[in-house]
Amino acid sequence: EVQLVESGGGLVKPGGSLRLSCAASGFIFSDAWMNWVRQAPGKGLEWVGRIRSNSDGGTTDYAAPAKGRFTISRDDSKNTLYLQMNSLKSEDTAMYYCARRNGFDIWGQGTMVTVSS
Amino acid sequence: DIQMTQSPSSLSASVGDRVTITCRASQGVSNHLAWFQQKPGKAPKSLIYAASSLQSGVPSKFSGSGYGTDFTLIISSLQPEDFATYYCQQYNSDPLTFGGGTKVEI
Repeated sequence: EVQLVESGGGLVKPGGSLRLSCAASGFIFSDAWMNWVRQAPGKGLEWVGRIRSNSDGGTTDYAAPAKGRFTISRDDSKNTLYLQMNSLKSEDTAMYYCARRNGFDIWGQGTMVTVSS
Repeated sequence: DIQMTQSPSSLSASVGDRVTITCRASQGVSNHLAWFQQKPGKAPKSLIYAASSLQSGVPSKFSGSGYGTDFTLIISSLQPEDFATYYCQQYNSDPLTFGGGTKVEI
């Protein structure tokens, strides 16, 4: 079964850091471009960024709110995608999803990040 | 950034109704347009990619059409399990952007 499972969310103070993980199974993870998408409570969907497959350079792209604060990485040996979030702000409070490919054909169940003092 | 505008933002419909949701891009996105369904407390689910291609396992009552700036999602006969929020998304250029959503209610 093709599956993505996020973990690592929680409560963090403004200015703090958090690392999210997304464990993939059921497909060749190393071939996949992977994305992070977030959804603030009661709001719509917002793309955070992507990482290309290593065969396509392994490069990353970010939406403006994430640039300079968030870093996407991958460990193909562990079939795992990461999102390192630094200098967190209250407006980063959201459910964070990982999703496969630019067309987001497979989504994880999400992990909740709450930034609050 | 490409702005995606969905209409309506919400609609009320009955079981068996044909429902049409539109999505307009602020500039052309070719056919790089996807549709998603999201139920409360759940992750989004992919329905349509490349504007009109049905994802594997998605029932044929869902259909998509359009090219360039104007796109449509049609649910041919609404069933109780279809009451949800629907989002369009363009993946033609960065940043990838979503429409604001259309909530389909009873």
